[in-house]
Amino acid sequence: QQQVKQSPQSLIVQKGGISIINCAYENTAFDYFPWYQQFPGKGPALLIAIRPDVSEKKEGRFTISFNKSAKQFSLHIMDSQPGDSATYFCAPSGNYQLIWGAGTKLIIKP
Amino acid sequence: GAGVSQSPSNKVTEKGKDVELRCDPISGHTALYWYRQSLGQGLEFLIYFQGNSAPDKSGLPSDRFSAERTGGSVSTLTIQRTQQEDSAVYLCASSSQQVWNSYEQYFGPGTRLTVT
Repeated sequence: QQQVKQSPQSLIVQKGGISIINCAYENTAFDYFPWYQQFPGKGPALLIAIRPDVSEKKEGRFTISFNKSAKQFSLHIMDSQPGDSATYFCAPSGNYQLIWGAGTKLIIKP
Repeated sequence: GAGVSQSPSNKVTEKGKDVELRCDPISGHTALYWYRQSLGQGLEFLIYFQGNSAPDKSGLPSDRFSAERTGGSVSTLTIQRTQQEDSAVYLCASSSQQVWNSYEQYFGPGTRLTVT
């Protein structure tokens, strides 16, 4: 199965707080786990991605945590800033086709 | 270098008319994708081209939708006899897929289609 469930649908976080977005998947053949960021009027852009051979990857304020046994991965944004306000998509893949989550609209309040 | 470009950026058409949407991928990228995104929604896969292989058309919602990719570069998505439910942003993405299992997709800004 290809189903991907992303939560929450929307999230409001105070500036400086931690934003956490989750993605659950069913297909055990997935081996690439990216998060994309989309600003209004723009196409999505890759933010950070992880392979299943590691449990965590950090790039600046952004961290992916991966739990293979639970078939879940999450995006953590530390010290959230108003400029992080955007829609975030998980899009795991096992081949050329990314399977997109429904998106999480993140609003960072100043 | 230049990113993925799409034209037009906005298109308003009357119900029943045909429209063509264009995508110029990043030079050298062999893979090209079309997606549809309705307001506030996720991405709906439409079609995938990879080199000279037969395209994956499994996401096209009806036979009114078609796409072609000429010379392995520019792609055109055509919607015939447009319907109001076709109103959405149509996104194009390209990918190099030169590195095994590297499927990062680079997106264009999209074409906002409004069918009146």
